Amino acid sequence: NAGVTQTPKFQVLKTGQSMTLQCAQDMNHNSMYWYRQDPGMGLRLIYYSASEGTTDKGEVPNGYNVSRLNKREFSLRLESAAPSQTSVYFCASRGDTGSSYGYTFGSGTRLTVV
Amino acid sequence: AQSVTQLGSHVSVSEGALVLLRCNYSSSVPPYLFWYVQYPNQGLQLLLKYTSAATLVKGINGFEAEFKKSETSFHLTKPSAHMSDAAEYFCAVSTGANSKLTFGKGITLSVRP
Repeated sequence: NAGVTQTPKFQVLKTGQSMTLQCAQDMNHNSMYWYRQDPGMGLRLIYYSASEGTTDKGEVPNGYNVSRLNKREFSLRLESAAPSQTSVYFCASRGDTGSSYGYTFGSGTRLTVV
Repeated sequence: AQSVTQLGSHVSVSEGALVLLRCNYSSSVPPYLFWYVQYPNQGLQLLLKYTSAATLVKGINGFEAEFKKSETSFHLTKPSAHMSDAAEYFCAVSTGANSKLTFGKGITLSVRP
């Protein structure tokens, strides 16, 4: 099925470790996004990429880096994980006909930093 | 800047009762508005969207929402709740092409037998 694929689904890290969350979409979308979801906070935008080769900070970028590897893939890297980064991370992509088509979300990565 | 307010964090209804989830938005330009649903341990699924066409929007699973510019609202309703509607619901807003989506904090809907 067409959509957004995230890996891994679950991860436990120790404080200070690094890891990369992977995201790929097969819908030929230009725009891709990384959100984090925390209880009572809704979804907050970490980084986004409006097109291949461009990335921009969202609402909560500190402690994260991103790479738009090609049109399909958009990865999120935690260089030195902290307990405050324990969260559920969602990748999304958006159809290109303006913003009227909403986003398609992956199933999420549940990250715990101990 | 754009924002969304979802008052309250939890709504509980009886099976068969009306579902009403409130959403108010703030936007400096005509908005696009969305409702998403998230079932436990899953990603977000689009329920319905308003994109400046008809103000009453029908979505999946019997849900609908009405855009009221004068009230800056986009409340979600369903005439008769079903047990399978228990989930978290997010209202979201974006403005213009290539605009980012801003989410509300979400409301958890519980359905009592």
